[in-house]
Amino acid sequence: ETGVTQTPRHLVMGMTNKKSLKCEQHLGHNAMYWYKQSAKKPLELMFVYNFKEQTENNSVPSRFSPECPNSSHLFLHLHTLQPEDSALYLCASSQEVTENQPQHFGDGTRLSIL
Amino acid sequence: DQQVKQNSPSLSVQEGRISILNCDYTNSMFDYFLWYKKYPAEGPTFLISISSIKDKNEDGRFTVFLNKSAKHLSLHIVPSQPGDSAVYFCAAAFEGTYKYIFGTGTRLKVLA
Repeated sequence: ETGVTQTPRHLVMGMTNKKSLKCEQHLGHNAMYWYKQSAKKPLELMFVYNFKEQTENNSVPSRFSPECPNSSHLFLHLHTLQPEDSALYLCASSQEVTENQPQHFGDGTRLSIL
Repeated sequence: DQQVKQNSPSLSVQEGRISILNCDYTNSMFDYFLWYKKYPAEGPTFLISISSIKDKNEDGRFTVFLNKSAKHLSLHIVPSQPGDSAVYFCAAAFEGTYKYIFGTGTRLKVLA
């Protein structure tokens, strides 16, 4: 079983739809992250949760709403997205929120906004 | 302005030879550096890391070198294998933080 699982792998939605991305980690980690990767741009950190508490919101628009019900699950709720939100969304986890605890990534959700 | 730069978008190397991937950074306060490998349709996979108190770290065929005075990081793969063909990202972080600053990646192609 893979360490960090993301569903769905692909998602196409209209600008008025509401959808959610799901992430589950099986590594016993305490921290979880959402990243965005747009074409030809570096990975951008969006949100960080440590022991279910949000510790980082990197100036992300409110149309992205994260939820972390427990240390193993992370959701990203999407509402009225814009075409520029089309990107690869990656979830990651780490044992702790320090620099020397490498983050382990899922395979991502490829999101396309029509 | 990008703090972590990978100036070579792609690199081709013959199987069995050395692959050298480069990364430059601008902030001398970065304390920790990592390399990730990414295959198509998969997430990045952690490869190797180095603390700023070291100048070299080795793990099997992979060696990372850190030149703090030049603010330069490199990943050496010896010998290169076709399975190493992937996109390689370098990342940097400040001490005590989880914020990785990623480069844009270098696509390595190892030719059989």
